[in-house]
Amino acid sequence: AQSVTQLDSQVPVFEEAPVELRCNYSSSVSVYLFWYVQYPNQGLQLLLKYLSGSTLVKGINGFEAEFNKSQTSFHLRKPSVHISDTAEYFCAVSNRGSYIPTFGRGTSLIVHP
Amino acid sequence: DTAVSQTPKYLVTQMGNDKSIKCEQNLGHDTMYWYKQDSKKFLKIMFSYNNKELIINETVPNRFSPKSPDKAHLNLHINSLELGDSAVYFCASGLAGSFDEQYFGPGTRLTVT
Repeated sequence: AQSVTQLDSQVPVFEEAPVELRCNYSSSVSVYLFWYVQYPNQGLQLLLKYLSGSTLVKGINGFEAEFNKSQTSFHLRKPSVHISDTAEYFCAVSNRGSYIPTFGRGTSLIVHP
Repeated sequence: DTAVSQTPKYLVTQMGNDKSIKCEQNLGHDTMYWYKQDSKKFLKIMFSYNNKELIINETVPNRFSPKSPDKAHLNLHINSLELGDSAVYFCASGLAGSFDEQYFGPGTRLTVT
């Protein structure tokens, strides 16, 4: 079975500061990894994904994440956040060939002016 | 054009009633999903259909019944609604064969009084 742990339920940060949202996973087989963003009263949309290849993945809105197999982590980073980045962020993992995704409990990013 | 649409957006009803939520995707995907997001933002998969066939049925009360008339539609019918069913329900679609990114609808906020 796979699982996802998002270590921080809430991350407050000032505008233009860097941010890192942490995600750790466990799985006995190779995985796909994803970060989704949910803006208030909206559905989730994909920020970025790791399927294979380069461990540094770049996504939309200036976000990037690094897959670290030895630490079983997939942390999300942005060098300079905007007020508009305030949202809920979900890490998700799936085993290759599986239809069953597992989502973390989400991290609320709150950007202050 | 809306990729994944759900109706209604809001649904307020009394305990014991039966209600349906409709979902349609125009992305040509073979796989569709229903998720439940509780008040703490925890996202849990309920069902998945691939080409109109049920492939995932997580531990969900049998009061919940998905129906897929064709691969572009996956409706969710709920019988004998209970207070604990209050949540936001998301429909999503994705490519078949293996888990890749999913495209989420805007959600239906169900409130049972």
